[in-house]
Amino acid sequence: NAGVTQTPKFRVLKTGQSMTLLCAQDMNHEYMYWYRQDPGMGLRLIHYSVGEGTTAKGEVPDGYNVSRLKKQNFLLGLESAAPSQTSVYFCASVSRGDRGSEQYFGPGTRLTVT
Amino acid sequence: KQEVTQIPAALSVPEGENLVLNCSFTDSAIYNLQWFRQDPGKGLTSLLLIQSSQREQTSGRLNASLDKSSGRSTLYIAASQPGDSATYLCAPLGSARQLTFGSGTQLTVLP
Repeated sequence: NAGVTQTPKFRVLKTGQSMTLLCAQDMNHEYMYWYRQDPGMGLRLIHYSVGEGTTAKGEVPDGYNVSRLKKQNFLLGLESAAPSQTSVYFCASVSRGDRGSEQYFGPGTRLTVT
Repeated sequence: KQEVTQIPAALSVPEGENLVLNCSFTDSAIYNLQWFRQDPGKGLTSLLLIQSSQREQTSGRLNASLDKSSGRSTLYIAASQPGDSATYLCAPLGSARQLTFGSGTQLTVLP
C-alpha cells in the first residue's frame, strides 16, 4: 500500500515549456487535490476533483489544467511554464465516505522554472 | 472564504519548555481540523486530526484543542525537544473537503 505518490520528485523547466505532474493513490479515494507551497507560506489549493471525470478550481487555478480520467490518478499540467510557478507541489486524497476523514499527502514535487 | 492565521510566526524556546501554538480561522463551518508538521525541504506529516464534534485530541506529548464556535485551535507541546524543531501548520477542513492552510509557526527548540 503505497498511499499517495507523485512523479517526478524534482524538475527544472525553462519559461514557456510544458509539463505534467502525476499523482497516484491506491486507497480508492474519491477526492483528490493539488496544492502549491511557496517559501514561508502554507499550502494553497490549485484544483481538486470529487470523482473520476470531474474537476474544479481552487484558490489559485490560473496557468494550470487538470484531468482525472482514472479514479486513482490526478494529473496537473502546466501548458506554458512561468517563473511564478516555481514552487513545491503537493497532491492529496481523501475518502468521500467519512466527512471527518484525514487527507493523505504525497511527498511533493519541487519545480523550478528559469 | 476561509482565512487561517497562525500565531506566532516563529518561536524559539529552550529544551524542556511546554509551549502553545495558536491557530484561528474565520469560518466555523468545518468538518475537522488537522495539525501537520513540516521539516525543511520535506513533505507534510499529519500529527493530529480533531473532529468538529471533539474538544481535544492527544497523541503522546501533543495535545490539540478545538473551539469551533470561536474559530480557534491550539497545539500544546509538552517537554519540548530539539527534534520537535519544524514548521507546524494547521488546516481546517471545509466544504468540498477543502483544507485551508495557515502560514505556519516555525519552531526552534534549543538544546
